[in-house]
Amino acid sequence: KAGVTQTPRYLIKTRGQQVTLSCSPISGHRSVSWYQQTPGQGLQFLFEYFSETQRNKGNFPGRFSGRQFSNSRSEMNVSTLELGDSALYLCASSIASDRASYEQYFGPGTRLTVT
Amino acid sequence: GEDVEQSLFLSVREGDSSVINCTYTDSSSTYLYWYKQEPGAGLQLLTYIFSNMDMKQDQRLTVLLNKKDKHLSLRIADTQTGDSAIYFCAESSYSSASKIIFGSGTRLSIRP
Repeated sequence: KAGVTQTPRYLIKTRGQQVTLSCSPISGHRSVSWYQQTPGQGLQFLFEYFSETQRNKGNFPGRFSGRQFSNSRSEMNVSTLELGDSALYLCASSIASDRASYEQYFGPGTRLTVT
Repeated sequence: GEDVEQSLFLSVREGDSSVINCTYTDSSSTYLYWYKQEPGAGLQLLTYIFSNMDMKQDQRLTVLLNKKDKHLSLRIADTQTGDSAIYFCAESSYSSASKIIFGSGTRLSIRP
């Protein structure tokens, strides 16, 4: 069974631009969560989507948004990029059901560099 | 608030056991995890334990939980060079199981 895939793997953007990252979960997994990893702040939870609805949200500004499609694929968008948004963005999927699943499987991440 | 703490570095000799320690503050933590991250890679779920358990063993890995002290440890028996990585301790609660709170990670290096 294929794992979680994320595209693109690497991205360079300029301050003020916007970016969209994509995540395809493991087949059969319905929940997708996003995390930001930076050297200074470590791993931080952004949000989780289940059945096309945001189910949990972390403490990030509104510039960070996401969505999930009917096939469970998810996209994350960051608008008006700042230098501090440079990070590894990780996506995780889980089977989930009517409540959040504790067993999450991570993709390789998208390395975003903002210049 | 929620917080997970762990030491930043650990160096062990190949063949010895590695013990990585972690403390957490959230008393509502229900799920406690250990993830492994190798250079340039995502996170690999190594093992997890429920808060109503004291111990879990899985091949070379042993997880011990002291709920009273909110202390979690991961023991890797017969440590190999392939175990070199960053190990993250993490927790989540029953009500928000998908919102995982991670520690800062412990970098494990193996000496020959």
